Amino acid sequence: DIQMTQSPSSLSASVGDRVTITCRASQSISKYLNWYQKVGKAPKLLIYDTTNLQSGVPSRFSGSGFGTDFTLIISSLQPEDFATYYCQQSYSPPYTFGQGTKLEIK
Amino acid sequence: EVQLVESGGGLVQPGGSLRLSCAASGFIFRSYWMHWVRQAPGKGLEWVSRINSDGSSTTYADSVKGRFTISRDNAKNTLYLQVNRLRTEDTAVYYCARVTGADRFDAWGQGILVTVSS
Repeated sequence: DIQMTQSPSSLSASVGDRVTITCRASQSISKYLNWYQKVGKAPKLLIYDTTNLQSGVPSRFSGSGFGTDFTLIISSLQPEDFATYYCQQSYSPPYTFGQGTKLEIK
Repeated sequence: EVQLVESGGGLVQPGGSLRLSCAASGFIFRSYWMHWVRQAPGKGLEWVSRINSDGSSTTYADSVKGRFTISRDNAKNTLYLQVNRLRTEDTAVYYCARVTGADRFDAWGQGILVTVSS
């Protein structure tokens, strides 16, 4: 199975800050890396295939990477961005997720 | 509007069974592969199972293989997860999710809680 490791596991930041979350795969997954935001119940797809913004997601979210190392950037934090973020590889089943990064208000 | 609504959860004793359902609306259900993902209390997301659009192909996580069965009824726009021989570690919120493209989960239900306890 492909292991996904996110860092940091938690992060305190302020409104307006630039935030970076990283995700590392235990083997190459090409571009097949997705990011989700979870506030409350249902997760929400933010970015798919490393760099593509899901429809309706604000442009302050962006993604980069390839192979084993990936990054989610939030360019200027807004109050509604305080949530838990998960990366997920869609290269091969089982479709493993990272352990999550909890983004909290400083 | 795409909607996925899970039902069928609850409290069950170890070794027991449940059938989870996921009612889909707002899209052509029979055209999409569907998945189940779960989240144990205080833990991260764990992929559980997937089924192709016509129900002829299924895949499972090792942790549930042989105990869980995914299925679908395209005439009823409903996805199912039969969960048998439940263990305490199966306690979780279970989500159904639609996939598009390269297996990205673009729509999720609100989740249904399954609690396995004596």
